Amino acid sequence: DGGITQSPKYLFRKEGQNVTLSCEQNLNHDAMYWYRQDPGQGLRLIYYSQIVNDFQKGDIAEGYSVSREKKESFPLTVTSAQKNPTAFYLCASSYGTSGGQFFGPGTRLTVL
Amino acid sequence: GEDVEQSLFLSVREGDSSVINCTYTDSSSTYLYWYKQEPGAGLQLLTYIFSNMDMKQDQRLTVLLNKKDKHLSLRIADTQTGDSAIYFCAERSNTGKLIFGQGTTLQVKP
Repeated sequence: DGGITQSPKYLFRKEGQNVTLSCEQNLNHDAMYWYRQDPGQGLRLIYYSQIVNDFQKGDIAEGYSVSREKKESFPLTVTSAQKNPTAFYLCASSYGTSGGQFFGPGTRLTVL
Repeated sequence: GEDVEQSLFLSVREGDSSVINCTYTDSSSTYLYWYKQEPGAGLQLLTYIFSNMDMKQDQRLTVLLNKKDKHLSLRIADTQTGDSAIYFCAERSNTGKLIFGQGTTLQVKP
């Protein structure tokens, strides 16, 4: 089956700890994205990558970091510098930046 | 700047038609999308329309685009309880990024 997987579905961390969220796709898509969703709000773009070993900041990149060492993988690290990290995180991918984006099931991060 | 606006809530009875509306500001948008999100899940791409089209129909879904007024709508015919979800409108900006509205919660009453 082709698709996008995110793990884990639920994640709990103590304040001050860094945490890495996984995103893997086997759709052979070039572009990958990370969004944050808060209750009652739309999606806000954190980082995106159009090609391996390259990525750009989105609208709310502060306190986050990413890497794109493989086409299939785009992990997101939520650092201790992120002031309000509790949220629902969604990963997406597309053929370049011109196609519709396909989303993973999301990871709900709760920082205690 | 780029902005997408949607009404927050819509309630309909099962079997009725639902119409979800969206306005956007970027006149250079080439594609506009509708996504569906069920509770605790990711977004599912429902349909999209190219900016040189006025209408697109796909089974129970009809998308209407008024480019002059920058208004997009999604009509769901014969709405079912399984259609209850949050629906997001999104425009593709000239940088290729998607700009999302805040989502419309559709409640379908039996």
